[in-house]
Amino acid sequence: EVHLVESGGGLVQPGGSLRLSCGASGFTFSTHWMSWVRQAPGKGLEWVANIKPDESEKHYGDSVKGRFTVSRDNAKNSLYLQMNSLRAEDTAVYYCARSWNSSWCDWGQGTLVTVSS
Amino acid sequence: QSALTQPASVSGSPGRSVTISCAGTSSDVGGYNYVSWYQQHPGKAPKLMISNVSHRPSGVSNRFSGSKSGNTASLTISGLQAEDEADYYCSSYARSTPHWVFGGGTKLTVL
Repeated sequence: EVHLVESGGGLVQPGGSLRLSCGASGFTFSTHWMSWVRQAPGKGLEWVANIKPDESEKHYGDSVKGRFTVSRDNAKNSLYLQMNSLRAEDTAVYYCARSWNSSWCDWGQGTLVTVSS
Repeated sequence: QSALTQPASVSGSPGRSVTISCAGTSSDVGGYNYVSWYQQHPGKAPKLMISNVSHRPSGVSNRFSGSKSGNTASLTISGLQAEDEADYYCSSYARSTPHWVFGGGTKLTVL
């Protein structure tokens, strides 16, 4: 059974940084694209970033480009999201998701990031 | 404002069918067969219901079906059940950034 477990969320001040982690199990992590998708409170889903299995390609949504960095450690079956220069509008639940067939087939439970002074 | 347009809400009686639309452009929905649909219950993570316009992943009820015509994709849920009450989101690959776009979501109420 596939398990994705996010961690690292919390309260951070505007302009601050935070690093999210996602631990994966139940599938061959090193062969799958992985993504981060977020959802602001009471709002819809927004794609944040994705990363190729060998890290040779990384893509970002326009709202986070230049501030967020996605990375992975295939030896540790882990996905990361380094978030810098955080803004109030980055407040959201951040989901880690496994990509498959041009969709997201498995999702973690999410970790809440709150940007507020 | 979301890139893809969905109705804010739809409703239907148990046993009936409902269809949720997802309108895009030729640069996303109309240009690729990469439309997917997600079900989300309150406080829960999204669940993939349909990929690649009409492919139903293993374990998803055959009461859920997807289709596309031009720049609009649709999710049809037949034989409505109380457990189907949830938010539904469509997503598509897009030619320009951001390369993955979502609809604003549709709240399904089972009357």
